[in-house]
Amino acid sequence: RKEVEQDPGPFNVPEGATVAFNCTYSNSASQSFFWYRQDCRKEPKLLMSVYSSGNEDGRFTAQLNRASQYISLLIRDSKLSDSATYLCAAEPRSYQLTFGKGTKLSVIP
Amino acid sequence: EAGVVQSPRYKIIEKKQPVAFWCNPISGHNTLYWYLQNLGQGPELLIRYENEEAVDDSQLPKDRFSAERLKGVDSTLKIQPAELGDSAVYLCASSDRGGRGYNEQFFGPGTRLTVL
Repeated sequence: RKEVEQDPGPFNVPEGATVAFNCTYSNSASQSFFWYRQDCRKEPKLLMSVYSSGNEDGRFTAQLNRASQYISLLIRDSKLSDSATYLCAAEPRSYQLTFGKGTKLSVIP
Repeated sequence: EAGVVQSPRYKIIEKKQPVAFWCNPISGHNTLYWYLQNLGQGPELLIRYENEEAVDDSQLPKDRFSAERLKGVDSTLKIQPAELGDSAVYLCASSDRGGRGYNEQFFGPGTRLTVL
């Protein structure tokens, strides 16, 4: 089992829709989690950090479920500009991130 | 504030040739990472530096890959000789160990390597 797993998608959603991605992790020692956004042929950009139960930033909400070992990312009121690949990362050891393969989102007009 | 700087952005070489990538982290960030990213995959760690010390190089293929961060600021990653399977994007990231978001990593634009 891979350390961090994500549904690769693609998730095709209409503008204005709410979409959620899940990310599961295998190492229960992981303390911190991150969501990165990666546009095509660009570098990953940090979207949200999750250190406790969750985090919210505008239309984006991340939630952590330690019992089931998954984190989710919820995007409300999707915009065309939200189209990207969303990478989940866990920190199983201090200062070391393990990334999932990413989930591709396409927001359709 | 300037972000992580990497050069070159693109590199095309023939197999068995050497290649080097350069990275300058965000000012004040003492932790520097080199990652490899293949198409459709997430970044995979190659090596992590704390200042000038390589503290985690367990995933670095040491027969052909080497890295240095002599003064604890910028870093160079080298491949010699390159193989076809080394074609990928090489990403550099940095974080501020003493900062509030101490393990938040910020990535440079990457170097896209093509080995022919």
